[in-house]
Amino acid sequence: RKEVEQDPGPFNVPEGATVAFNCTYSNSASQSFFWYRQDCRKEPKLLMSVYSSGNEDGRFTAQLNRASQYISLLIRDSKLSDSATYLCVVTPHSGSARQLTFGSGTQLTVLP
Amino acid sequence: NAGVTQTPKFRVLKTGQSMTLLCAQDMNHEYMYWYRQDPGMGLRLIHYSVGEGTTAKGEVPDGYNVSRLKKQNFLLGLESAAPSQTSVYFCASRPSDGYYGYTFGSGTRLTVV
Repeated sequence: RKEVEQDPGPFNVPEGATVAFNCTYSNSASQSFFWYRQDCRKEPKLLMSVYSSGNEDGRFTAQLNRASQYISLLIRDSKLSDSATYLCVVTPHSGSARQLTFGSGTQLTVLP
Repeated sequence: NAGVTQTPKFRVLKTGQSMTLLCAQDMNHEYMYWYRQDPGMGLRLIHYSVGEGTTAKGEVPDGYNVSRLKKQNFLLGLESAAPSQTSVYFCASRPSDGYYGYTFGSGTRLTVV
């Protein structure tokens, strides 16, 4: 089983729609969680961290469910510029290097 | 502030040739990482470093070597390139304290023919 699993999509949604992605992780000791965004042929960029109590940044809401070992990302009022691949990222354990483990990504296309 | 800079951006190698990819960061980060990204595989960790003079293997280290002689630089070497090493290579760095995400370089697209 992969450490981090995501539905690869693609998700094709109209402008203005609400879309949600889920991501499951296998290591219950995982400590930190993030969503990254990656545009075509570009480097991944940090979109937001995911906190235990859930957090919101404008149109984006992230949730963490430790009991079921998944995180989610909700995008409201989708814009054309939201089209990208969204990567779910976790730290696998509390090791000193805190290297991140990436999911394979979920592709989103927002259609006009 | 340049962040993380990778050179070169593109390279085509013949099988058996060697090359070195350079990653430089100007944020005084302790931790540096090399990943490769292949279609459908996501990002996979090759090697990483927790400080100057230290390196460690990641998930897919075979065929690669690394060095961190200076804190700001992390070099990835391919001694004898193989077509299976055709990929996009990303370098990343982060500070040692707190729970912060990575800063990535813009990537190196390597093709081995």
